[in-house]
This record gives sequence, C-alpha cells and structure tokens, in this order.
Amino acid sequence: GAVVSQHPSRVICKSGTSVKIECRSLDFQATTMFWYRQFPKQSLMLMATSNEGSKATYEQGVEKDKFLINHASLTLSTLTVTSAHPEDSSFYICSARHSTGVTETQYFGPGTRLLVL
Amino acid sequence: GNSVTQMEGPVTLSEEAFLTINCTYTATGYPSLFWYVQYPGEGLQLLLKATKADDKGSNKGFEATYRKETTSFHLEKGSVQVSDSAVYFCALSDRGNAGKSTFGDGTTLTVKP
Repeated sequence: GAVVSQHPSRVICKSGTSVKIECRSLDFQATTMFWYRQFPKQSLMLMATSNEGSKATYEQGVEKDKFLINHASLTLSTLTVTSAHPEDSSFYICSARHSTGVTETQYFGPGTRLLVL
Repeated sequence: GNSVTQMEGPVTLSEEAFLTINCTYTATGYPSLFWYVQYPGEGLQLLLKATKADDKGSNKGFEATYRKETTSFHLEKGSVQVSDSAVYFCALSDRGNAGKSTFGDGTTLTVKP
C-alpha cells in the first residue's frame, strides 16, 4: 500500500531555534498534503493544507509565519517551526492525499515528536 | 461545519470480549468515513473506511457500517485481543472541503488478558 514517511521521527531543540520536518510520499504523487498537530491524549488538529506549487492554506488560529510550509514537489512537503518555544512541543503528523481518479485516500506519516527545551 | 463525536473512553475489556465504539458525525454533503488506530508512540494507521451509505468497512476482524439515516459509523469487533489495545479515532473526509479530515477525540481501548 501507499507509504508516507516523516523525518525526523524525534527532535529535541533549544528554545529560539527553528526545526524542519519533512513529509514524503514514497510511492505515489501527492498534490495535497496535510499537517496535523496532536497534543498528549488528544485528537489531531488540522494545522494547514499544503498544495504543490502554491501557498499553503492555514486553519484559523494557526500562525503562518510561525509554521512555514513548503510543498516543493509532488512527493515532498516540509513544515518549519520557526523560533520554537516550549509550547510548540507536540506530535506533528502529516498526511498525503492519494487520488486514483476513482477514490481518494489519505495516508498518514508516522509522526514527528518535537520537544523544545 | 463538520464534526465527529465518538464514545468517551477509556474502554477496558477482557480478552475475547465484544467491542463497540460509537461514532456519529455531522457533515455537509456526502463524506467518506474512516476508523484509524494509533498504537503508543506511533502515527495513525488506517483501519477501515466506507465511502458511501450502507457500505461496510472491515479489516482485521473490525467492522463498521456507514449509516446515513443515523449519521453513524460505529466500530465493532466480535472478540478483542490484547494486541488491539490502542487509541481509535473516527474521522470523516469531506471531498467538498478539499478532502480535509475531521477527527473525533479518540477512544482508548485497553484489553486485559
């Protein structure tokens, strides 16, 4: 089946630094990818929709200058957490939409756990 | 807007017990419905899905039927195993909304031997 990878799987950084998280669709092209954030024991909250070749669409309340998204190719989207602070510590999960022309399915990456000290 | 409401947890069962996790939804249009499973420390895995009314999704002994009349998609398994212990998320994807997914709050299942 379709596979989505994320890198890194886990990152610890100091407050004030920027962290880049990659999301790749390994065996299909994805014009649309989604970035979610999950707090401990909570559900996934959609942060933004990443569209290949155009600007990302952010959900209400998500700072676009804080969470920079770049969808540079049909298989790669990156999320950069700029000037990270402890409250940005969370589990970040991406998904990629696979369209066959008949069906559409989202495949999720394994997640990236970010800890900001 | 779209929303998903699922049964509050945690749910604790003995091995081989019957499992039901309720899920109801509110959506415009005709969404696709999903159940995802998340094991500790891992991302989400698609468990099953249904794309239209009366469809039944099934996988690994789990089943759920898309009930448009009751706007429900309850997850069931006849005999749970310890290895089924995880968090289960009900979700919908609305193609009319760029395919964005809306998730329920998740239900933690613990199966004891």
